[in-house]
Amino acid sequence: ELKVEQNPLFLSMQEGKNYTIYCNYSTTSDRLYWYRQDPGKSLESLFVLLSNGAVKQEGRLMASLDTKARLSTLHITAAVHDLSATYFCAVDILESGGGADGLTFGKGTHLIIQP
Amino acid sequence: KAGVTQTPRYLIKTRGQQVTLSCSPISGHRSVSWYQQTPGQGLQFLFEYFSETQRNKGNFPGRFSGRQFSNSRSEMNVSTLELGDSALYLCASSLGPSQETQYFGPGTRLLVL
Repeated sequence: ELKVEQNPLFLSMQEGKNYTIYCNYSTTSDRLYWYRQDPGKSLESLFVLLSNGAVKQEGRLMASLDTKARLSTLHITAAVHDLSATYFCAVDILESGGGADGLTFGKGTHLIIQP
Repeated sequence: KAGVTQTPRYLIKTRGQQVTLSCSPISGHRSVSWYQQTPGQGLQFLFEYFSETQRNKGNFPGRFSGRQFSNSRSEMNVSTLELGDSALYLCASSLGPSQETQYFGPGTRLLVL
């Protein structure tokens, strides 16, 4: 059974600081995703990481993937209040027929960025 | 391009009743997946449909079922509702079952009393 663990689950930080959220998964995965969820809202896709060593950046967020360590990180640079949200990582495994077996999500990291 | 739409957005039911939720995917998307989100269990995969066929199903009891129509719209049904079924139900669409990104709808918040 595929398991996805995120840490920390709660994070309060000050604006301007840097921090990293970690996502570990238990078995070989074909794709890793990062999503953002604002309170009462749906999930917004941030990044899709497909291969070992993949790195993607958007604004103050950067995601990386190490498939050998089964680890992905989401790094926040010089945090601003607008980045306050819950961040989820998710992985999926392609079936032998090519279809995906549904996303397995981590518990989410509730991030609060204080002025 | 319109995003994924879900109806209704909010629903209150009582134990023992049944409920049907609807999802319209992004135009041109043929794959629809359903997820349940609760504070205790987090986000869990329910099932995925492509070309009117259920391709995968998560670890949920048979009370949870779904279907997909020829226009790719999907419905999920929960029969004999239990208090624990109270959750946010999210629908996601993608071009196909192996496509990279799933786009999520706003969700239907179900409260079972």
